[in-house]
Amino acid sequence: AQSVTQLGSHVSVSEGALVLLRCNYSSSVPPYLFWYVQYPNQGLQLLLKYTTGATLVKGINGFEAEFKKSETSFHLTKPSAHMSDAAEYFCAVSDLYAGGTSYGKLTFGQGTILTVHP
Amino acid sequence: DTGVSQDPRHKITKRGQNVTFRCDPISEHNRLYWYRQTLGQGPEFLTYFQNEAQLEKSRLLSDRFSAERPKGSFSTLEIQRTEQGDSAMYLCASSRVGYPSIRESNTGELFFGEGSRLTVL
Repeated sequence: AQSVTQLGSHVSVSEGALVLLRCNYSSSVPPYLFWYVQYPNQGLQLLLKYTTGATLVKGINGFEAEFKKSETSFHLTKPSAHMSDAAEYFCAVSDLYAGGTSYGKLTFGQGTILTVHP
Repeated sequence: DTGVSQDPRHKITKRGQNVTFRCDPISEHNRLYWYRQTLGQGPEFLTYFQNEAQLEKSRLLSDRFSAERPKGSFSTLEIQRTEQGDSAMYLCASSRVGYPSIRESNTGELFFGEGSRLTVL
C-alpha cells in the first residue's frame, strides 16, 4: 500500500523567501507523484506531477519538485514566495503502476498550510 | 469547457436525516472518484467508478453510504441516517484513462470539483 508523509503541517515564510515543502512517500512500485494546492473553500488544483523521465519537474506558478528515489522524497520548492501562494498543499502518490498506466486512485498526505508574511 | 461541478456546495442537516450529493464530471472523462476531507486532513479515498461500474470501495464507506453512476456520466453520493462524524467536505474528481488526450495522459492526474461541505448538527 502507498503512503505519504508531509513533514510540517504549517510552514511560514516571508514574501520573497524560498518555499520548501517536504514530502516523503512509500510505494512498492514505481510511483507517480503529485502536488496539489487547495485555496480556502475550493477544490484541489494540480501544481505538478512526476511520472517518468526527468526527475526535476516544473509546475504552475513557479513551483517545482524533484523526485529522489534513493530518499523516497518529492519535495516542493519555489525560489521566491508570493502572498498569493498562501494555501494548503497536498502531496499525493498514485496506486498500482502497471505498464505505464496508473489505476488512478491517489493517496494524499495530511497537507501543509503555507503562510506568507509581507 | 466546464470542469467538475458539485451540488450542493454546502449542506446543513440534522442528525439522522439523509443527504445526497451530485457530481458532474468533465464530459469525456470515464473515471469518477469520491473523496472525503475532514478539517486538517488530506482527502481520503471513498470509491471510484469507471463508466457506470463501481470498481472499488474504501472501508471508510460504511453501509450508510451509497454511490451510483447510473449512465456513466454524473454520480450521486447518498448518506443515510447522517451522524455528526459525517461532517466533512466531499470531493469529486474525474479523469480519462485508456485514451490519448491532449488535456491529460494516462498518468493518474485527477481533476477535482470544488466540493460539497456537509455539516451535521
